Amino acid sequence: DGGITQSPKYLFRKEGQNVTLSCEQNLNHDAMYWYRQDPGQGLRLIYYSQIVNDFQKGDIAEGYSVSREKKESFPLTVTSAQKNPTAFYLCASSRTSGRVVEQFFGPGTRLTVL
Amino acid sequence: QQQVKQSPQSLIVQKGGISIINCAYENTAFDYFPWYQQFPGKGPALLIAIRPDVSEKKEGRFTISFNKSAKQFSLHIMDSQPGDSATYFCAASKNYGGSQGNLIFGKGTKLSVKP
Repeated sequence: DGGITQSPKYLFRKEGQNVTLSCEQNLNHDAMYWYRQDPGQGLRLIYYSQIVNDFQKGDIAEGYSVSREKKESFPLTVTSAQKNPTAFYLCASSRTSGRVVEQFFGPGTRLTVL
Repeated sequence: QQQVKQSPQSLIVQKGGISIINCAYENTAFDYFPWYQQFPGKGPALLIAIRPDVSEKKEGRFTISFNKSAKQFSLHIMDSQPGDSATYFCAASKNYGGSQGNLIFGKGTKLSVKP
């Protein structure tokens, strides 16, 4: 059963703690992405990786870090430097179909900072 | 130049009616325009997409209309059903050069279809 999995579904953290969100895909996609979703704000790109061992900052990378050691995995760490981390976090991966890059999303992780 | 503006923010339609959501963009380098459907607590799902070499694409009850000169595109949902109630996002990307395939999203439209 191919797809993108994110864990956990819900995550609670105390202020000042780092937390790591998991994203795994078995679609054999090269590129992976992390987005943050806030009510009324759409989806904003945090980091993306087009190939293993390489990643790039998106529009709102401050306070976040990532790694891409394996093609299947792209974990996101929300650090204590992120001022307002409570949000819905979405991971995506993409394939190239014809001349376009199609993105597919995981089910998301809701992070709440207490 | 990187923005995609989406309207309306929310939309209420009667069952069987037509739902219309509009998006506008500035960057003429964009060459791929997908629409995503998101149910509460779930990740967005790719619904339908269009490239600028066609003016319309239809898949079942969902149609994208594209106006290249006006830099606008819209989603039409025919015979809207209560099960279509969700948040819809338009997006745009350019599929060449640096940041290839990175999507720029509109802020979303919350659609409610009343029975």
